[in-house]
Amino acid sequence: KAGVTQTPRYLIKTRGQQVTLSCSPISGHRSVSWYQQTPGQGLQFLFEYFSETQRNKGNFPGRFSGRQFSNSRSEMNVSTLELGDSALYLCASSLGQGGEKLFFGSGTQLSVL
Amino acid sequence: DQQVKQNSPSLSVQEGRISILNCDYTNSMFDYFLWYKKYPAEGPTFLISISSIKDKNEDGRFTVFLNKSAKHLSLHIVPSQPGDSAVYFCAASRGNAGGTSYGKLTFGQGTILTVHP
Repeated sequence: KAGVTQTPRYLIKTRGQQVTLSCSPISGHRSVSWYQQTPGQGLQFLFEYFSETQRNKGNFPGRFSGRQFSNSRSEMNVSTLELGDSALYLCASSLGQGGEKLFFGSGTQLSVL
Repeated sequence: DQQVKQNSPSLSVQEGRISILNCDYTNSMFDYFLWYKKYPAEGPTFLISISSIKDKNEDGRFTVFLNKSAKHLSLHIVPSQPGDSAVYFCAASRGNAGGTSYGKLTFGQGTILTVHP
């Protein structure tokens, strides 16, 4: 069974640009969550999608957005990039029942110059 | 407001000995707890979990203990192996108690475990 797949693996952008990250969940998983990992803040929850609807959201500005498609694949978009957005962005999938383990992808390492 | 805390940034143990990683939480609504292992620039890998209705869960060399009254959990690795060297994260979530927090795990800051041969 294939794991969670994230693309691209690495990305370099400049301030003010926007970026789109992609995530394919484990087959049969309908929930996709996104996390940001930085050295200072650790792993922080961005949002969760289930059946193409955002069901839960963390404390991030509106520049961070996402969507989910009918095949459960998800994309995350960050607009007007700032230097502080440099981070490892992780996608996780699960069945979506709540209170369950999440399976993480390898992440997208975003560098904003 | 750090709801999940791992107070030891690092731990060093000898191969074959026991590794004990600790985690404290403050939110009494958490009812499901997990441990993940992580290497740099990779995603966390699930190790073991425990529901708040239990106080112990074992899986091979890994055992997690939960003390609800103290809001404390620990991960025991016996025997420790050099391949266990990584960053270990404790995480917590709300399942059924007090409203489900879908997809959201609250992570501690991590403990770097080094197992010496």
